[in-house]
Amino acid sequence: EIVMTQSPATLSVSPGERATLSCRASQSVSSNLAWYQQKPGQAPRLLIYGASTRATGIPARFSGSGSGTEFTLTISSLQSEDFAVYYCQQYNNWPPAYTFGQGTKLEIK
Amino acid sequence: QVQLQESGPGLVKPSQTLSLTCTVSGGSISSGGYYWSWIRQHPGKGLEWIGYIYYSGSTYYNPSLKSRVTISVDTSKNQFSLKLSSVTAADTAVYYCARFYCSSTSCYGGWFDPWGQGTLVTVSS
Repeated sequence: EIVMTQSPATLSVSPGERATLSCRASQSVSSNLAWYQQKPGQAPRLLIYGASTRATGIPARFSGSGSGTEFTLTISSLQSEDFAVYYCQQYNNWPPAYTFGQGTKLEIK
Repeated sequence: QVQLQESGPGLVKPSQTLSLTCTVSGGSISSGGYYWSWIRQHPGKGLEWIGYIYYSGSTYYNPSLKSRVTISVDTSKNQFSLKLSSVTAADTAVYYCARFYCSSTSCYGGWFDPWGQGTLVTVSS
């Protein structure tokens, strides 16, 4: 099983500032990585796929980077609606055994 | 746009079978190019992929749950379903259905979008 490790567990950032979230894979997943945002009481929402491609309707302040085992989600200027939990997901294995990170909670500083 | 909605009992007794249905609207489950998935989230925890099904009936399951999981599809109703047998308290979770978007024509990987709102299933006597 590919283990996904996100850091930090909680990140405190002020509105308007930049947030950088990390995701590490236990083995290379190439660029087969997605990011999701989850707000309390809601389902996750797809933000990024292919490590760096924004999903439809996702604002440009969200960007993804990385390949292999190290990935980053950057939110350039935090808006109030961005405070949520963020998950990464790898999809590099076959037969499928997709795994998610444990999440990073982005909270208001 | 495609929307998904989970339905089913919110309370299941230990050792029994959990059964949930996902109804897809705004698009046909038979349109191809997607798998239809179940994912769960234990209270306050992360996400766990359970498995998925193609409209033809082809299925793949998480190896850790494979012995207890069955996913089926009813294209006439535009629905797919989850059965999880021999449940314990460890199966208490919010269960989501989601469309799996294949990253290539061979579908060796992809992402989940969109998701249903989720339904909490509690295993308790």
